[in-house]
Amino acid sequence: QTVVTQEPSFSVSPGGTVTLTCGLSSGSVSTSYYPSWYQQPPGQAPRTLIYNTNTRSSGVPDRFSGSILGNKAALTITGAQADDESDYYCVLYMSSGISVFGGGTKLTVL
Amino acid sequence: EVQLVESGGGLVQPGGSLRLSCAASGFTFSGHGMSWVRQAPGKGLEWLSVISDSGSNTHHADSVKGRFTISRDNSKNTLYLQMNSLRAEDTAVYYCARRDRSGQHYFDDWGQGTVVTVSS
Repeated sequence: QTVVTQEPSFSVSPGGTVTLTCGLSSGSVSTSYYPSWYQQPPGQAPRTLIYNTNTRSSGVPDRFSGSILGNKAALTITGAQADDESDYYCVLYMSSGISVFGGGTKLTVL
Repeated sequence: EVQLVESGGGLVQPGGSLRLSCAASGFTFSGHGMSWVRQAPGKGLEWLSVISDSGSNTHHADSVKGRFTISRDNSKNTLYLQMNSLRAEDTAVYYCARRDRSGQHYFDDWGQGTVVTVSS
């Protein structure tokens, strides 16, 4: 069974930079998995941030960027703001429409 | 404006059934694959099911295979999730999500969710 791994939690200072990662329990994440990232503020529905590794969704500020770092997908937030405090989920596309979510990272801005 | 509005959630006893609906508007519904995603209380998001734009192809996560069935009615711009043999662990917020049509395999819009509680 495919397990997508994320850091359970992370903290960043206002104005700081943080990189969240998305890995596989076995193997490396590559662009072939079309990694995407979603932000979920407390009590709200998810919002699409990044797709196809590094493409920002419409309206997403350029403080958010995606990449492949080593054997993982990565989401970097530059100049963190208070309202970036959310849960962040990565998704990897397996095949035939099947997607797998990571466990999510709870980001605290303090 | 794209709108996805889920409905049909509620309280159901273990072993019972429920059918969720997702009414779509603001886009050509028949041009997009669609998915269901759920979130148990205090837990992360879990992908459940996907259906192709025509409805001819479907896939379900192992956790719900054989119990849940995704379907759609393109004439009504509506997505469905038939949930049978419900268990306490199916208690969650259920979201419908639109899949992109650009071949980049991501969810490009989300509904607000409907709550399902499985309890006696």
